[in-house]
Amino acid sequence: DADVTQTPRNRITKTGKRIMLECSQTKGHDRMYWYRQDPGLGLRLIYYSFDVKDINKGEISDGYSVSRQAQAKFSLSLESAIPNQTALYFCATSDLGQAQETQYFGPGTRLLVL
Amino acid sequence: AQSVTQPDIHITVSEGASLELRCNYSYGATPYLFWYVQSPGQGLQLLLKYFSGDTLVQGIKGFEAEFKRSQSSFNLRKPSVHWSDAAEYFCAVVTLGYKLSFGAGTTVTVRA
Repeated sequence: DADVTQTPRNRITKTGKRIMLECSQTKGHDRMYWYRQDPGLGLRLIYYSFDVKDINKGEISDGYSVSRQAQAKFSLSLESAIPNQTALYFCATSDLGQAQETQYFGPGTRLLVL
Repeated sequence: AQSVTQPDIHITVSEGASLELRCNYSYGATPYLFWYVQSPGQGLQLLLKYFSGDTLVQGIKGFEAEFKRSQSSFNLRKPSVHWSDAAEYFCAVVTLGYKLSFGAGTTVTVRA
């Protein structure tokens, strides 16, 4: 979905390096999410933000941090990358505050930590 | 806690044949259920969703899903598969705090 963009699309880094993955959206949604996808595990929630001043940990937040710079931007940082953080990372957005809200996903960032 | 189980890791189906992907959830109240598809190298695209009402839900690309409360299931179906349906399919349910909880996914291979 071109309304949710992620940069970079692919990244190779070394253990111990700090990296940032960026997400931007033009959908005007308040809520943004970061997931990681691993084979056989589906998608797992890392962090989510319901508005610019609201940041919440997901189920696997250890080793990650986030920044919500604006309504449209939500960045994920790996302060000191480790090989088991090699995964496909997705950003998503959603609107409203209803339980049935639909999440819209970006194209993903494939990260390899050597 | 809510969870989603997709029992089939991988399904192979012939082009033109029917397809059914299984999804089971655990949740005490009425669940909000979704099916997403991930084509190779792509992000996730919403196929369909169920919130309430008619238990047979129509989605995009000719897919449908049926909610069966008695079986805690939300299986996805397509009557005639096309080669372009080869992808990974994820079932998901909304958890507390309006977060999505995903199943592990089912990979569909379509053979000619």
